[in-house]
Amino acid sequence: KNEVEQSPQNLTAQEGEFITINCSYSVGISALHWLQQHPGGGIVSLFMLSSGKKKHGRLIATINIQEKHSSLHITASHPRDSAVYICAVTGNQFYFGTGTSLTVIP
Amino acid sequence: NAGVTQTPKFQVLKTGQSMTLQCAQDMNHEYMSWYRQDPGMGLRLIHYSVGAGITDQGEVPNGYNVSRSTTEDFPLRLLSAAPSQTSVYFCASSPPGHYGYTFGSGTRLTVV
Repeated sequence: KNEVEQSPQNLTAQEGEFITINCSYSVGISALHWLQQHPGGGIVSLFMLSSGKKKHGRLIATINIQEKHSSLHITASHPRDSAVYICAVTGNQFYFGTGTSLTVIP
Repeated sequence: NAGVTQTPKFQVLKTGQSMTLQCAQDMNHEYMSWYRQDPGMGLRLIHYSVGAGITDQGEVPNGYNVSRSTTEDFPLRLLSAAPSQTSVYFCASSPPGHYGYTFGSGTRLTVV
């Protein structure tokens, strides 16, 4: 049983495309996190959300608490966006999705 | 540079050996945690600490011990390494309220 489900698992896009990664969760949460893991393995925290929408550069994250769903959007995608994007939620524990592997082709 | 420092980056152990993975942060974060990352399974919480002297188990604690004698350090001990513990290990810290996590660079552990 996975408390956090992400889709798609793998995604290939052409440079410049608009990208959406989805995350659904089944537990009560206090916050949702989007993380980025580069091919070298390092993990960076992109966003923490408890409601609404956040934007940072070309990245936008939204959350719908009632539907228990979040999306991560990347506008004007670039090859340097190629990474694994991980959705995680904090409730009584920290639960992680298995990640979405994104490849952006020039 | 401020952040989370994990050592070593790579380690090979023989079955039955013990070792300690080190994790240190200099951001005065109260919350620290250890995760393992296995292919197709995502990150899983091993142990966590909400402050010096306080530790608790996560999802997969068996075979691991932790202690938190200072705010800065949160070492993870493998008592008797097993091949099932071959994984990539990450340490992370965050301030109260989990407002943003900072991850270490990871330790790739192989048990043969």
